[in-house]
Amino acid sequence: DIQMTQSPSSVSASVGDRVTVTCRASQGVRSWLAWYQQKPGKAPKLLIYAASSLQSGVPSRFSGSGSGTDFTLTISSLQPEDFATYYCQQANSSPHTFGQGTKLEIK
Amino acid sequence: EVQLVESGGGLVQPGRSLRLSCAASGFTFDDYAMHWVRQVPGKGLEWVSGISWNSGSIGYADSVEGRFTISRDNAKSSLYLQMNSLRAEDTALYYCAKDKDRGDLGLFDYWGQGTLVTVSS
Repeated sequence: DIQMTQSPSSVSASVGDRVTVTCRASQGVRSWLAWYQQKPGKAPKLLIYAASSLQSGVPSRFSGSGSGTDFTLTISSLQPEDFATYYCQQANSSPHTFGQGTKLEIK
Repeated sequence: EVQLVESGGGLVQPGRSLRLSCAASGFTFDDYAMHWVRQVPGKGLEWVSGISWNSGSIGYADSVEGRFTISRDNAKSSLYLQMNSLRAEDTALYYCAKDKDRGDLGLFDYWGQGTLVTVSS
């Protein structure tokens, strides 16, 4: 199975900050990488798919990059509603594994 | 509006069975693959199983292979997960999720609110 490792596990930031979360796959997943946002008590929400494609309705301050084994999710200017947990997930092969999550907290 | 509504969760003893259902609406159900993803409260996400639009391709996580069976009824726009030989470690919130494609792309663009399964004696 492909292992997905996110860093950091948690990060504190302020409104307006630029934040980057990284995700590394234990083997290459080409561009088959997605990012999800999950708020407490809610289902995950797809933000980015195919490493850099923005899901419909997602604000343009979210962006993704990378291919192969190394990927990043960037939020260009944090908004209050962005404080949540973020997960990467590989869709290159089954089983479709997730990273352990990165919790973005208010500083 | 896409809606996915899970049901069938509850408290069950180890070794027993449970069947989860997911009622879909707001999209052409038989055009898309569907999945089950679970989450232990306060923990991360784990993909459990997926099924292509015509049930021709099915996959399972190693942790449930041989115990869980995914199925769908396109006429009823419904997804199911038959869970047998349940274990304490199967305790989780089970989400139904829609794929972005009819094959098993493994990209989950819509999710239900989940149904809680608790396995305990």
